Amino acid sequence: AQSVAQPEDQVNVAEGNPLTVKCTYSVSGNPYLFWYVQYPNRGLQFLLKYITGDNLVKGSYGFEAEFNKSQTSFHLKKPSALVSDSALYFCAVRDSLTGGGNKLTFGTGTQLKVEL
Amino acid sequence: EPEVTQTPSHQVTQMGQEVILRCVPISNHLYFYWYRQILGQKVEFLVSFYNNEISEKSEIFDDQFSVERPDGSNFTLKIRSTKLEDSAMYFCASSPEQYNEQFFGPGTRLTVL
Repeated sequence: AQSVAQPEDQVNVAEGNPLTVKCTYSVSGNPYLFWYVQYPNRGLQFLLKYITGDNLVKGSYGFEAEFNKSQTSFHLKKPSALVSDSALYFCAVRDSLTGGGNKLTFGTGTQLKVEL
Repeated sequence: EPEVTQTPSHQVTQMGQEVILRCVPISNHLYFYWYRQILGQKVEFLVSFYNNEISEKSEIFDDQFSVERPDGSNFTLKIRSTKLEDSAMYFCASSPEQYNEQFFGPGTRLTVL
Protein backbone atom coordinates (compact mmCIF):
# COMPACT_ATOMS: atom_id res chain seq x y z
CA ALA A 1 0.00 0.00 0.00
CA GLN A 2 1.11 3.55 -0.61
CA SER A 3 0.60 6.48 1.73
CA VAL A 4 1.76 10.04 2.29
CA ALA A 5 1.95 12.15 5.42
CA GLN A 6 2.12 15.92 5.58
CA PRO A 7 2.61 16.59 9.28
CA GLU A 8 1.90 20.32 9.19
CA ASP A 9 -1.56 21.70 8.46
CA GLN A 10 -0.12 25.19 8.08
CA VAL A 11 3.28 26.76 7.60
CA ASN A 12 3.84 30.47 8.12
CA VAL A 13 6.90 32.22 6.77
CA ALA A 14 7.98 35.80 6.17
CA GLU A 15 8.54 36.96 2.61
CA GLY A 16 12.15 36.59 1.62
CA ASN A 17 12.81 33.79 4.10
CA PRO A 18 13.37 30.18 3.05
CA LEU A 19 10.40 27.83 3.26
CA THR A 20 10.06 24.11 3.79
CA VAL A 21 6.91 22.03 3.48
CA LYS A 22 7.37 18.51 4.80
CA CYS A 23 6.29 15.22 3.26
CA THR A 24 7.02 11.63 4.17
CA TYR A 25 5.86 8.58 2.29
CA SER A 26 5.43 4.84 2.57
CA VAL A 27 5.58 2.41 -0.37
CA SER A 28 6.40 -1.24 -0.94
CA GLY A 29 8.53 -0.70 -4.03
CA ASN A 30 10.16 2.45 -5.34
CA PRO A 31 8.39 5.78 -4.96
CA TYR A 32 7.33 8.16 -7.67
CA LEU A 33 6.82 11.46 -5.85
CA PHE A 34 5.04 14.63 -6.85
CA TRP A 35 4.24 18.07 -5.48
CA TYR A 36 1.13 19.97 -6.53
CA VAL A 37 -0.15 23.41 -5.55
CA GLN A 38 -3.79 24.46 -5.31
CA TYR A 39 -4.91 28.06 -5.33
CA PRO A 40 -8.42 28.94 -4.10
CA ASN A 41 -11.16 27.64 -6.39
CA ARG A 42 -8.59 26.26 -8.81
CA GLY A 43 -7.39 22.83 -9.83
CA LEU A 44 -4.12 21.19 -8.88
CA GLN A 45 -1.03 22.58 -10.55
CA PHE A 46 2.00 20.35 -10.99
CA LEU A 47 5.20 21.71 -9.42
CA LEU A 48 7.81 18.97 -9.63
CA LYS A 49 8.45 15.25 -9.51
CA TYR A 50 10.99 12.64 -8.52
CA ILE A 51 11.06 9.45 -10.57
CA THR A 52 14.73 8.49 -10.55
CA GLY A 53 18.14 10.14 -10.73
CA ASP A 54 19.35 13.14 -8.73
CA ASN A 55 17.91 13.44 -5.27
CA LEU A 56 17.50 17.21 -5.62
CA VAL A 57 14.73 18.02 -8.03
CA LYS A 58 14.03 21.51 -9.36
CA GLY A 59 10.58 22.58 -10.48
CA SER A 60 8.37 25.50 -11.34
CA TYR A 61 8.45 28.96 -9.71
CA GLY A 62 11.80 28.39 -7.98
CA PHE A 63 10.63 25.40 -5.94
CA GLU A 64 12.80 22.37 -5.34
CA ALA A 65 12.49 19.15 -3.37
CA GLU A 66 14.96 16.70 -1.94
CA PHE A 67 14.34 12.97 -2.08
CA ASN A 68 15.74 11.19 0.97
CA LYS A 69 15.35 7.44 0.75
CA SER A 70 16.64 6.65 4.23
CA GLN A 71 14.20 9.09 5.82
CA THR A 72 11.43 8.34 3.27
CA SER A 73 10.96 12.06 2.83
CA PHE A 74 10.41 14.45 -0.05
CA HIS A 75 10.33 17.94 1.47
CA LEU A 76 9.45 20.92 -0.69
CA LYS A 77 11.72 23.94 -0.41
CA LYS A 78 12.22 27.42 -1.76
CA PRO A 79 15.17 29.67 -0.88
CA SER A 80 13.16 32.90 -0.77
CA ALA A 81 9.38 32.89 -0.27
CA LEU A 82 6.98 35.28 -2.01
CA VAL A 83 3.55 36.39 -0.83
CA SER A 84 2.20 34.92 -4.08
CA ASP A 85 3.41 31.47 -2.96
CA SER A 86 0.61 31.42 -0.39
CA ALA A 87 -1.53 28.40 -1.33
CA LEU A 88 -2.35 24.80 -0.43
CA TYR A 89 0.42 22.33 -1.21
CA PHE A 90 -0.10 18.62 -1.74
CA CYS A 91 2.47 15.86 -1.80
CA ALA A 92 1.54 12.71 -3.75
CA VAL A 93 3.08 9.28 -4.25
CA ARG A 94 2.77 6.36 -6.59
CA ASP A 95 4.27 3.00 -5.70
CA SER A 96 6.24 1.28 -8.47
CA LEU A 97 4.72 -2.03 -7.35
CA THR A 98 1.06 -1.00 -7.63
CA GLY A 99 -1.08 -1.92 -10.60
CA GLY A 100 -0.99 -0.23 -13.93
CA GLY A 101 -3.56 2.37 -13.05
CA ASN A 102 -1.10 5.07 -11.98
CA LYS A 103 -3.14 5.85 -8.90
CA LEU A 104 -1.75 8.81 -6.98
CA THR A 105 -2.22 8.94 -3.22
CA PHE A 106 -2.26 12.47 -1.86
CA GLY A 107 -1.39 13.87 1.52
CA THR A 108 -3.83 16.01 3.48
CA GLY A 109 -2.23 19.21 2.26
CA THR A 110 -0.26 22.00 3.92
CA GLN A 111 -1.50 25.58 3.81
CA LEU A 112 1.43 27.89 3.20
CA LYS A 113 1.03 31.49 4.32
CA VAL A 114 3.72 33.97 3.34
CA GLU A 115 3.48 37.31 5.10
CA LEU A 116 5.12 40.65 4.44
CA GLU B 1 -0.15 25.78 -23.27
CA PRO B 2 -2.59 22.86 -23.54
CA GLU B 3 -4.74 22.18 -20.50
CA VAL B 4 -7.44 19.87 -19.22
CA THR B 5 -10.89 21.42 -19.30
CA GLN B 6 -14.00 20.41 -17.37
CA THR B 7 -17.69 21.25 -17.65
CA PRO B 8 -19.75 22.35 -15.90
CA SER B 9 -17.82 24.25 -13.25
CA HIS B 10 -20.69 23.78 -10.80
CA GLN B 11 -23.52 21.25 -10.88
CA VAL B 12 -26.42 21.20 -8.44
CA THR B 13 -28.66 18.14 -8.42
CA GLN B 14 -31.29 16.42 -6.35
CA MET B 15 -30.50 13.22 -4.49
CA GLY B 16 -31.23 10.20 -6.66
CA GLN B 17 -30.67 12.02 -9.95
CA GLU B 18 -28.08 11.06 -12.53
CA VAL B 19 -25.25 13.44 -13.33
CA ILE B 20 -22.61 13.41 -16.03
CA LEU B 21 -19.40 15.33 -15.52
CA ARG B 22 -17.42 16.11 -18.63
CA CYS B 23 -13.72 16.49 -19.26
CA VAL B 24 -11.56 17.17 -22.27
CA PRO B 25 -8.07 15.82 -21.56
CA ILE B 26 -4.93 17.15 -23.22
CA SER B 27 -5.06 15.94 -26.80
CA ASN B 28 -2.02 13.67 -27.05
CA HIS B 29 -2.42 12.12 -23.61
CA LEU B 30 -3.23 8.43 -23.26
CA TYR B 31 -4.07 7.99 -19.57
CA PHE B 32 -7.13 9.54 -17.96
CA TYR B 33 -8.23 9.83 -14.35
CA TRP B 34 -10.96 11.03 -12.04
CA TYR B 35 -10.30 12.18 -8.48
CA ARG B 36 -12.55 13.84 -5.95
CA GLN B 37 -12.04 16.19 -3.02
CA ILE B 38 -14.70 16.48 -0.38
CA LEU B 39 -14.65 19.94 1.16
CA GLY B 40 -11.78 20.28 3.59
CA GLN B 41 -10.44 16.79 2.90
CA LYS B 42 -7.69 15.37 0.78
CA VAL B 43 -7.82 14.50 -2.89
CA GLU B 44 -8.94 10.88 -3.41
CA PHE B 45 -8.42 8.65 -6.44
CA LEU B 46 -11.55 7.30 -8.11
CA VAL B 47 -10.56 5.64 -11.37
CA SER B 48 -7.99 5.46 -14.13
CA PHE B 49 -8.68 4.70 -17.78
CA TYR B 50 -6.38 3.57 -20.56
CA ASN B 51 -6.91 2.04 -23.97
CA ASN B 52 -10.69 2.34 -23.61
CA GLU B 53 -10.96 0.43 -20.40
CA ILE B 54 -10.68 0.95 -16.66
CA SER B 55 -7.16 0.12 -15.49
CA GLU B 56 -7.70 0.72 -11.79
CA LYS B 57 -10.52 1.85 -9.51
CA SER B 58 -10.88 2.62 -5.83
CA GLU B 59 -13.41 1.29 -3.37
CA ILE B 60 -15.29 4.58 -3.75
CA PHE B 61 -15.93 3.79 -7.41
CA ASP B 62 -18.88 1.44 -6.94
CA ASP B 63 -21.65 0.39 -9.32
CA GLN B 64 -23.17 3.88 -9.20
CA PHE B 65 -20.15 5.26 -11.04
CA SER B 66 -19.11 4.74 -14.64
CA VAL B 67 -16.65 6.33 -17.05
CA GLU B 68 -16.66 6.59 -20.77
CA ARG B 69 -14.62 8.04 -23.61
CA PRO B 70 -17.40 8.43 -26.16
CA ASP B 71 -15.25 10.04 -28.84
CA GLY B 72 -11.66 11.04 -29.41
CA SER B 73 -11.72 14.01 -27.07
CA ASN B 74 -14.21 13.72 -24.22
CA PHE B 75 -13.91 11.70 -21.02
CA THR B 76 -17.00 11.50 -18.81
CA LEU B 77 -17.86 10.44 -15.28
CA LYS B 78 -21.44 9.38 -14.66
CA ILE B 79 -23.02 8.99 -11.26
CA ARG B 80 -26.22 7.04 -11.77
CA SER B 81 -28.11 7.88 -8.57
CA THR B 82 -26.48 10.62 -6.57
CA LYS B 83 -26.27 10.59 -2.79
CA LEU B 84 -25.68 13.48 -0.40
CA GLU B 85 -22.19 12.19 0.29
CA ASP B 86 -21.28 12.48 -3.40
CA SER B 87 -21.08 16.25 -2.91
CA ALA B 88 -17.47 17.13 -3.67
CA MET B 89 -15.13 18.71 -6.17
CA TYR B 90 -14.42 16.27 -8.97
CA PHE B 91 -11.14 16.60 -10.82
CA CYS B 92 -10.28 15.08 -14.16
CA ALA B 93 -6.61 14.50 -15.00
CA SER B 94 -4.58 13.14 -17.88
CA SER B 95 -1.00 12.06 -18.51
CA PRO B 96 0.94 11.29 -21.70
CA GLU B 97 2.67 8.19 -20.41
CA GLN B 98 2.35 5.81 -17.51
CA TYR B 99 4.91 7.32 -15.13
CA ASN B 100 4.52 10.97 -15.97
CA GLU B 101 2.93 13.65 -13.88
CA GLN B 102 -0.82 13.99 -14.17
CA PHE B 103 -2.29 17.26 -15.36
CA PHE B 104 -5.45 18.30 -13.58
CA GLY B 105 -8.46 20.23 -14.77
CA PRO B 106 -10.06 23.04 -12.75
CA GLY B 107 -12.70 20.73 -11.31
CA THR B 108 -16.49 20.45 -11.20
CA ARG B 109 -18.13 21.25 -7.90
CA LEU B 110 -21.03 18.83 -7.44
CA THR B 111 -23.67 19.72 -4.87
CA VAL B 112 -26.29 17.08 -4.08
CA LEU B 113 -29.36 18.37 -2.27
